Amino acid sequence: GEDVEQSPFLSVREGDSSVINCTYTDSSSTYLYWYKQEPGAGLQLLTYIFSNMDMKQDQRLTVLLNKKDKHLSLRIADTQTGDSAIYFCAETMNSGYSTLTFGKGTMLLVSP
Amino acid sequence: GAGVSQSPSNKVTEKGKDVELRCDPISGHTALYWYRQRLGQGLEFLIYFQGNSAPDKSGLPSDRFSAERTGESVSTLTIQRTQQEDSAVYLCASSPKRGGFQFFGPGTRLTVL
Repeated sequence: GEDVEQSPFLSVREGDSSVINCTYTDSSSTYLYWYKQEPGAGLQLLTYIFSNMDMKQDQRLTVLLNKKDKHLSLRIADTQTGDSAIYFCAETMNSGYSTLTFGKGTMLLVSP
Repeated sequence: GAGVSQSPSNKVTEKGKDVELRCDPISGHTALYWYRQRLGQGLEFLIYFQGNSAPDKSGLPSDRFSAERTGESVSTLTIQRTQQEDSAVYLCASSPKRGGFQFFGPGTRLTVL
């Protein structure tokens, strides 16, 4: 079945770049998403990429998609302490339906 | 309100009791989703409503779980005879159309003692 895998934890220093990685198995996925979850809060959609794109940049965020390897990454430039949160990778199970399949999340800890 | 709201924010109940969780989607959003997030886990899909179509219940873990939605507005998720393994955060999301981006509420944290 479909599966989305993420490393559970990443620690960086303030000002460094963070790279959060994700692998997925469903080759028919159409959109891939990154969500951010801060403590006690719901999920905030950070960015997304369509499956026919290789890269998308949005201010400090860069998403890279390697469709051949089914690998997605989120790079956060100039990471700030306010970026500390859990980041979830998600994909749509199929294009017409849009139910999301989530990874278990990567906890990003940014130290001063 | 501007976003998806859920109530209560926290619910503590005793094993065997029934609970009802409520979701108010963003006005005008036709699609509504319920997910469950167990501690340290990603989100598991539970159920999906799209307009007046029959809901997709394929993610409901047992027949103790049910959900209703009135038109394109409020939804309630009901868990009967709660068990300790039902303890989780229950998240609701809505989107403006089928296939649209999902906007999440803050969740209801359910603790079954």
